[in-house]
Amino acid sequence: IQLTQSPSLLSASVGDRVTLSCKGSQNINNYLAWYQQKLGEAPKLLIYNTNSLQTGIPSRFSGSGSGTDYTLTISSLQPEDVATYFCYQYNNGLTFGSGTKLEIK
Amino acid sequence: EVQLVESGGGLVQPGRSLKLSCAASGFTFSNYYMAWVRQAPKKGLEWVATISTSGSRTYYPDSVKGRFTISRDNAKSSLYLQMNSLKSEDTATYYCARRAVGVMDAWGQGASVTVSS
Repeated sequence: IQLTQSPSLLSASVGDRVTLSCKGSQNINNYLAWYQQKLGEAPKLLIYNTNSLQTGIPSRFSGSGSGTDYTLTISSLQPEDVATYFCYQYNNGLTFGSGTKLEIK
Repeated sequence: EVQLVESGGGLVQPGRSLKLSCAASGFTFSNYYMAWVRQAPKKGLEWVATISTSGSRTYYPDSVKGRFTISRDNAKSSLYLQMNSLKSEDTATYYCARRAVGVMDAWGQGASVTVSS
């Protein structure tokens, strides 16, 4: 399954509601996760099974979707959210999306 | 606290071999599937290998199948990746990761591998 993330680059202001998209080439059956990777660091798990928040992750992060289309939403963007975000499917094989780089405007 | 610490990275010539190690602590290593994931410079993430709790089952993508071997030593809480016939396109940071509920929920800091003559 191939994953297409959009946009590849997103600039937003502090406090904005931000939405990142991930689209699969086939049905993912909700086996979709999101990772945050800050510069020079390892990826960190944010969301798994489409909408389950990993322990310790702030509640401003949420996930939704079904079938082939999934979304990561940050309800109020904070400066520390600057990072690249990857989606990841584990329904059929294991594949990552190409990432969305999130910047502060 | 869960900790995964990779070692063994470095510069290697094309066609040669390299073995990465990952020391795990802070959890019961033998209870978890483990995986390796790599990231080429300024690129995305690519799953490289997965191993079952006992080590009896291993899984690879076509890009490394037949060249890379994942293994583990549960007595030492250690994970390994033997990489043979290395190519320039194997240049990447290699992350050791714990697998839980299908996802990689804990990652090491990464080991850098450069394949170049």
